Amino acid sequence: DVKVTQSSRYLVKRTGEKVFLECVQDMDHENMFWYRQDPGLGLRLIYFSYDVKMKEKGDIPEGYSVSREKKERFSLILESASTNQTSMYLCASSPTAGWENSPLHFGNGTRLTVT
Amino acid sequence: GNSVTQMEGPVTLSEEAFLTINCTYTATGYPSLFWYVQYPGEGLQLLLKATKADDKGSNKGFEATYRKETTSFHLEKGSVQVSDSAVYFCALVNFGNEKLTFGTGTRLTIIP
Repeated sequence: DVKVTQSSRYLVKRTGEKVFLECVQDMDHENMFWYRQDPGLGLRLIYFSYDVKMKEKGDIPEGYSVSREKKERFSLILESASTNQTSMYLCASSPTAGWENSPLHFGNGTRLTVT
Repeated sequence: GNSVTQMEGPVTLSEEAFLTINCTYTATGYPSLFWYVQYPGEGLQLLLKATKADDKGSNKGFEATYRKETTSFHLEKGSVQVSDSAVYFCALVNFGNEKLTFGTGTRLTIIP
């Protein structure tokens, strides 16, 4: 089974802090994604990556950046955390070949609270 | 662009009731359609999928049929259980674009 592991289940940070959310997948997937999940808004794509050192903006990239130095690891960075970034963050991965049958595998999420 | 519209929740049903969660979509071409489920405290899991018109996806007693004429992919289950309590997301993807478009999710609660 594909395993997508997010390093923290819960995080509490202060406004203005730099925050790192880490995600690792063990199935050699090319594609990795960061979403945030908010009630009534569903899942919104922040950033994604099709390959090492490659990144693309999603629908709501403002206030975030990402890093993909190795194929299995995709990090989300909040440069200066703000209270409106309090949310559930979900990492996902998918293969390039056969993705239409198994499009996304998700981690269990990191619930971030910014105070 | 692509969009997915789900019925608003929350939905509360008694055990063994019939379930329908509506999903309609807007997309160019011929998208693949999916239902994902999120159990409490967990990430999303793929529940079922359909990749072309008239396909029926099924899993764990849930079914959904890809209806191109009505651009719909409604989720149904004949007899729900307490363990089906979760948030359900409808989603689509177009060939050549691996980004999924999700609906807003429908929270389902089943009471004994």
